[in-house]
Amino acid sequence: EAGVAQSPRYKIIEKRQSVAFWCNPISGHATLYWYQQILGQGPKLLIQFQNNGVVDDSQLPKDRFSAERLKGVDSTLKIQPAKLEDSAVYLCASSEHQNYNEQFFGPGTRLTVL
Amino acid sequence: AQKITQTQPGMFVQEKEAVTLDCTYDTSDQSYGLFWYKQPSSGEMIFLIYQGSYDEQNATEGRYSLNFQKARKSANLVISASQLGDSAMYFCAMRDRMRGNDMRFGAGTRLTVKP
Repeated sequence: EAGVAQSPRYKIIEKRQSVAFWCNPISGHATLYWYQQILGQGPKLLIQFQNNGVVDDSQLPKDRFSAERLKGVDSTLKIQPAKLEDSAVYLCASSEHQNYNEQFFGPGTRLTVL
Repeated sequence: AQKITQTQPGMFVQEKEAVTLDCTYDTSDQSYGLFWYKQPSSGEMIFLIYQGSYDEQNATEGRYSLNFQKARKSANLVISASQLGDSAMYFCAMRDRMRGNDMRFGAGTRLTVKP
């Protein structure tokens, strides 16, 4: 069974530029999560999708971050414009459904904002 | 407010010995789930073990066991017979219904297994 795929693995941009990350969850998984993991901290949930609908985006900085999952499968997370404090690893995870215990994580995208 | 505390930034253990990683949590919900994840240097979060708040038995998965003490609100991870490949960051996490099943993580503990 293929795992959660993410691309790119690494990205370096300058502040005020825009960037987009892509995630393809495990086939059949209805729930998709985006997490931000700042160096030295645990992951923090940014947004949770159930199929193509948003379940929770309370911690998403909506003035600069956006995410979509139009067809209920893969998802993109965008930052525009980026700030220095956005430097982090962005992790995507999926689970069979919202209340399922185990979340499967992708390898992450390491973003560096200069 | 929901909070996960891991008080050990780093731990060392000798190969083949057991090690306990501490985790305490705070929630006013009666129904919640506790998780441990391993994050090697590659960056991927690997699910290790789950404990439900109503589970009476401590969870076990191979060399991993969760020492669940509900009254003390602790959920320590015990790794038996440590292996060099166990060297990684370990995160404790919790989901509860009051926060809409949102997964909240602790700051992590870096475990180093010495040969």
